[in-house]
Amino acid sequence: QQQVKQSPQSLIVQKGGISIINCAYENTAFDYFPWYQQFPGKGPALLIAIRPDVSEKKEGRFTISFNKSAKQFSLHIMDSQPGDSATYFCAASMETNFGNEKLTFGTGTRLTIIP
Amino acid sequence: SQTIHQWPATLVQPVGSPLSLECTVEGTSNPNLYWYRQAAGRGLQLLFYSVGIGQISSEVPQNLSASRPQDRQFILSSKKLLLSDSGFYLCAWSVLAGAHEQYFGPGTRLTVT
Repeated sequence: QQQVKQSPQSLIVQKGGISIINCAYENTAFDYFPWYQQFPGKGPALLIAIRPDVSEKKEGRFTISFNKSAKQFSLHIMDSQPGDSATYFCAASMETNFGNEKLTFGTGTRLTIIP
Repeated sequence: SQTIHQWPATLVQPVGSPLSLECTVEGTSNPNLYWYRQAAGRGLQLLFYSVGIGQISSEVPQNLSASRPQDRQFILSSKKLLLSDSGFYLCAWSVLAGAHEQYFGPGTRLTVT
C-alpha cells in the first residue's frame, strides 16, 4: 500500500530555475515530513524537514510548503544549480509502539539541472 | 560526532547462498537502528528496526532476518538468497528518545546471480 505518493518521477530544470517536487500522504498519524537527497551510489542525506503545525519552512535555497488539510507537501529548490542534480525522496514519519519513529518514503524524483 | 559504517560496500552472491551484512554506529549510545532496501530506481522500503539489544521489529515478511547483538551493531542475514533479494541495502540510525531524524549509512550493493 503506497502511503506516500511522489511526483514527478523525473524533472529537468534549467540552471537558475525553480525545481518543484510534490508529495501527498493518506495517513493522518504521520507527524513529521522530511526530504532526503541521494546521489548515485550513496546513502540518502537529510535535507530539510517540517512538522504538520507549520505551513512553510525555508533553509537557504530549499523550502518546504505544507498543506495539512489537503495532506500534501512540496519541496521547492530556488536558483537550481547543477550540483543539485540528484534523486529526492519525500518521507513521512509516525511513532511506533516502541516510541521510536519509522519512515515511509515516496518513490523518488530524479532531478537534473541543465546549464 | 556520530558515524555509521556498513560493510561490505558491494557483494555478489549466488542464489541459495547465505548473507550477512553488518552495520555499526559510532559516537552515540542506545540508538534506534533501521534496515532499508532500495530496489533499482525505486524508493526505500523499511525492512527491520530495533530500539535495543535483542529487540527486532519486522515490517515486511520475507527471506531476510535481522539481529542486534550489541548496542551499536545491527546485522541483516539470510540463510538462502533469492534473485529478488538484489538491491541497495541501507542502515540508518536515530536518537533513541523520540527523535524523528534518521541518518543513513553508505549502503551495501547486493547482486544475487
